[in-house]
Amino acid sequence: DVKVTQSSRYLVKRTGEKVFLECVQDMDHENMFWYRQDPGLGLRLIYFSYDVKMKEKGDIPEGYSVSREKKERFSLILESASTNQTSMYLCASTLAMLGAGSAIYNEQFFGPGTRLTVL
Amino acid sequence: SQQGEEDPQALSIQEGENATMNCSYKTSINNLQWYRQNSGRGLVHLILIRSNEREKHSGRLRVTLDTSKKSSSLLITASRAADTASYFCATDMNTGFQKLVFGTGTRLLVSP
Repeated sequence: DVKVTQSSRYLVKRTGEKVFLECVQDMDHENMFWYRQDPGLGLRLIYFSYDVKMKEKGDIPEGYSVSREKKERFSLILESASTNQTSMYLCASTLAMLGAGSAIYNEQFFGPGTRLTVL
Repeated sequence: SQQGEEDPQALSIQEGENATMNCSYKTSINNLQWYRQNSGRGLVHLILIRSNEREKHSGRLRVTLDTSKKSSSLLITASRAADTASYFCATDMNTGFQKLVFGTGTRLLVSP
């Protein structure tokens, strides 16, 4: 069964702390994503990675960095946490798969989320 | 800005009724997907419809896609209390790397 796990369900940190959020998938997926979810704003893409050591900025990368040293693990790093980074963080992965013609079938598999509070 | 906008933002119905949620988007897409999220949890994929498809079914779910109107609808028939969740549409604009752009979601409440 497909599984994406995140290191913590709930996390409380102080302003200025360095925060690591870990995500692990066991499906041998090439692509991994970090989103944050805020009320009324839906899911917004922070960073994604399409291969080991490769990363691309999403829509809201400011204040975040990522690391992908192994295929199954994708880490989100808050270099210096701020209160406006209080949010629900969701990790997802997907297989890089080509279907018929140029269609790409890209169902994303999500972890349970980490609710981060920065005080 | 969000590619997908769901309508309504919230929907409250009784068990047994049908629930319809709509999604509008702005640019051409490769496919459109619907996801479900139970309160405080991750998202679960429900159904994917490709840009050359007009309708798709999966159990009690029916999805339509109108690319000329840039809109999609998700119909849940004979709803159950367990269907209570938030529902999101997500569009793949074929920008590469299987990126999806999610809408803001519809909160569905099904009362017994």
